Order: sequence, then structure tokens, then C-alpha cells
Amino acid sequence: EAGVTQFPSHSVIEKGQTVTLRCDPISGHDNLYWYRRVMGKEIKFLLHFVKESKQDESGMPNNRFLAERTGGTYSTLKVQPAELEDSGVYFCASSQETRGTQYFGPGTRLLVL
Amino acid sequence: QQPVQSPQAVILREGEDAVINCSSSKALYSVHWYRQKHGEAPVFLMILLKGGEQKGHDKISASFNEKKQQSSLYLTASQLSYSGTYFCGTEMGNDYKLSFGAGTTVTVRA
Repeated sequence: EAGVTQFPSHSVIEKGQTVTLRCDPISGHDNLYWYRRVMGKEIKFLLHFVKESKQDESGMPNNRFLAERTGGTYSTLKVQPAELEDSGVYFCASSQETRGTQYFGPGTRLLVL
Repeated sequence: QQPVQSPQAVILREGEDAVINCSSSKALYSVHWYRQKHGEAPVFLMILLKGGEQKGHDKISASFNEKKQQSSLYLTASQLSYSGTYFCGTEMGNDYKLSFGAGTTVTVRA
């Protein structure tokens, strides 16, 4: 069974540019989560989808971040325009049940210059 | 609210034991333990749901205290493959997201 995949693995962009991160959850997992780890800090929750609906987006930093999950399969996280403080590792996780085990992807390392 | 995880780092020789602690100021719904090796996805180790629970596999085990505010991860007779950063993720009763500790970097040397 394929695990959670994320694309790209690395992204280097300039301040003000737009970047879109993609996450493909484990097949059949209705729950999809986005987390972020800024250098030196803890992994922090961004948002949670149940199928295509946003269950909780309380961790989204501001309106420069937009997450979508059309069709309830893969999800994208767009940062527009990117700022220096957006640099970090963005993780995606999926689970079959809402309180089930969350399986993580390898993350996308974003560097904003 | 992020849990407090300690120690920040530990260096072991093969065969030695270590304990990693994760604590919360409020009672938790569950605790999830993960291990991450550099550049890879965090790998799920185990989840604890019940106060007083202990579980484990191989030589890695964990406990959850009766008040459900503290969990410990035990690495017994450590192997080189145990090296990595260990994270505890805690879940409260009123939401479904995980809050993570700062991580514990474990280095096992031959």
C-alpha cells in the first residue's frame, strides 16, 4: 500500500512569489491534515479536511494560505504571496478515521528568499 | 497547547536504555509517538488512549499515566536503528488535531 506522498520535496522561491504544495493521502483515507514545522520550532497544525470539507482551519496563519481538496482525494496548499517567515517543512498526514492513526508524508521543504 | 517533551537530546551506546517524557497541563484524549529520521516522513510508533495503559513492540514501549497528562517512551537495549528524532503528538478531547512536542533527538553509537 502506498503511503502519503507529497510534491515537490523541495521548493526555493523568492519573496512575493506563489507556491503550491500537493499531498496525496493514502487511498481511502477521508481525513487529511496539513502541518508545518518552522526551523527550531514544534510541528504545528494548519488544517484538517474530512473528505472535501474543511473540518478545522484554526491553524492557518493568515489569508495568504489557501488549502483545497476538490473531490476529497488529493489536497493542495497554496501560499500567495510567500513571505520569508513561511519557510519551513510542510507535512501532510492522513487517517482513515477522524481519531485514527495519522500517517505522515515526507514533507515539502520550502525556502523563501 | 503544545506538550512539553524532554530531554531535548540523548546520546546512547548500543544496548543502553533511554526514557523520553511528554507532559501536558491538561488531561489528554490520546498520545501518539512518532520517530523521524533525517529527511524522511515521521513514522508512527504507537498510540495510547487509556489512563494507566502500557504498550509496546520489539524493545520500544510507552506508558500513559492514570491522569492522562503524561506519557513516557522507553527505548530498551537500544540499537543503531533507533537513532532519529522522536515526537509525541497529543490530542485533546474537544478536537482532532495533534499538538507536538519539540522532539527528542536520539543518537545511538556503536
